[in-house]
Amino acid sequence: GQNIDQPTEMTATEGAIVQINCTYQTSGFNGLFWYQQHAGEAPTFLSYNVLDGLEEKGRFSSFLSRSKGYSYLLLKELQMKDSASYLCAGMDSNYQLIWGAGTKLIIKP
Amino acid sequence: DGGITQSPKYLFRKEGQNVTLSCEQNLNHDAMYWYRQDPGQGLRLIYYSQIVNDFQKGDIAEGYSVSREKKESFPLTVTSAQKNPTAFYLCASSPPIDMNEQFFGPGTRLTVL
Repeated sequence: GQNIDQPTEMTATEGAIVQINCTYQTSGFNGLFWYQQHAGEAPTFLSYNVLDGLEEKGRFSSFLSRSKGYSYLLLKELQMKDSASYLCAGMDSNYQLIWGAGTKLIIKP
Repeated sequence: DGGITQSPKYLFRKEGQNVTLSCEQNLNHDAMYWYRQDPGQGLRLIYYSQIVNDFQKGDIAEGYSVSREKKESFPLTVTSAQKNPTAFYLCASSPPIDMNEQFFGPGTRLTVL
C-alpha cells in the first residue's frame, strides 16, 4: 500500500534549527512535496524534490533519498510565524499526491 | 490577482440536505482537485478533473459528486449519502497533471448539524 509517515508534533525554540522527517512508500515515484499549512488556512507550497540531494531555498531546505524512501525539511533561524503544520506528500506513478497527516511545529520564544 | 476562491468559508447544514461547495480559479490551470481534511489525517482526494467535462473518482468519492462544465469552475456537492460530511474541504488546481505543485483555495469548513 501507499503510505507517508511523519511525526505528529515537534517543538523548537525561536532562532534554532529544526528537521522534520518524512518516510514514504508510493506506487512508483514522481517526486516529494512539502507544504506549510497554518491553522484553518490553505496549504502553501514549500519545496519539491525528485532527485537525491538537498534543495535550499532561503531559510528552508529539503532533502531526498530515493533509495531510503526518506525526506526531511530543514528550517533554520526559526521565527514565531513558522508555527504551522508541515505536510509531506509523495507523488505516485499516476501523478497523484499521497499525503502525510502533517507535523505540527510549535515554536517557543 | 490570480488565484483560487472557495465560498463560503464556513457552511452549516442540517443532516439529510445536499450542499454544494464552490471552487473557482483564474490561473488557467487544466487540473482541479477536491480534498477533504480531517483532524490528525492527511488530505484525502475526493475527485479530480484533468480537463473540462471529464473527472475521476479519488479515494473517498462515495457520497460526493462534481461537475466540470467550465475550465474555471469545479463545484463539489456533498450529498445526504455521505455518512460523515463534517470536515474541512480544500479545492486545488495545477497546470497539466504531471510534476507540478498544486495551488490551494482557502477552504470551506462544512458542519452538518
